Amino acid sequence: SSELTQDPAVSVALGQTVRITCQGDSLRSYYASWYQQKPGQAPVLVIYGKNNRPSGIPDRFSGSSSGNTASLTITGAQAEDEADYYCNSRDSSGNHLPFGTGTKVTVL
Amino acid sequence: QVQLQESGPGLVKPSQTLSLTCTVSGGSISSGSYYWSWIRQPAGKGLEWIGRIYTSGSTNYNPSLKSRVTISVDTSKNQFSLKLSSVTAADTAVYYCARTKYYYGSGSPPRPYYYMDVWGKGTTVTVSS
Repeated sequence: SSELTQDPAVSVALGQTVRITCQGDSLRSYYASWYQQKPGQAPVLVIYGKNNRPSGIPDRFSGSSSGNTASLTITGAQAEDEADYYCNSRDSSGNHLPFGTGTKVTVL
Repeated sequence: QVQLQESGPGLVKPSQTLSLTCTVSGGSISSGSYYWSWIRQPAGKGLEWIGRIYTSGSTNYNPSLKSRVTISVDTSKNQFSLKLSSVTAADTAVYYCARTKYYYGSGSPPRPYYYMDVWGKGTTVTVSS
């Protein structure tokens, strides 16, 4: 079982804001990274560290962290943001990098 | 820029060993202080981290797979590899390789993080007789 827990699914109206959360004890000490995965494609890194975006990722994606919860926020969601999103971080017991359970984002 | 490509048999018989290779192009596998990871995803399910290797050869594995997994690196070929023994149908999945970076962080206390910034396209492995 994953040490990082995410809500299975969330929906957002086009142009509105959605926040995806990831909970786990290790997040008190480590930042998470976030990945977007569209059907049939490899995951793509969208946020890492405190709030860093790789080149090419729109600035509507942002990250934050508080206590044992990391969050990915999409401000002004677009149709192309519909995808599965996974968090990832080091676990609390060793040098392992489990993924969260994943959240399916639907843009209405 | 750096690209990764997985390769290996698409069909493996139960109880045999699954072997995959990830070839790194556009850069040296030995440079930049990166880890190199394997991840898999059964159809319709989430991502599962399998393990990682540093260019020094140091490895870490998912505890649930540790008894069956070996990850190795061949710097002369700019490749790293995955072996998973005693496979069953539950090992049927898309297998990805990814470049993984560790950043110690700043602040007091520092807050480290990892991220996987370059991924291969993935290769499908089916375990069936």
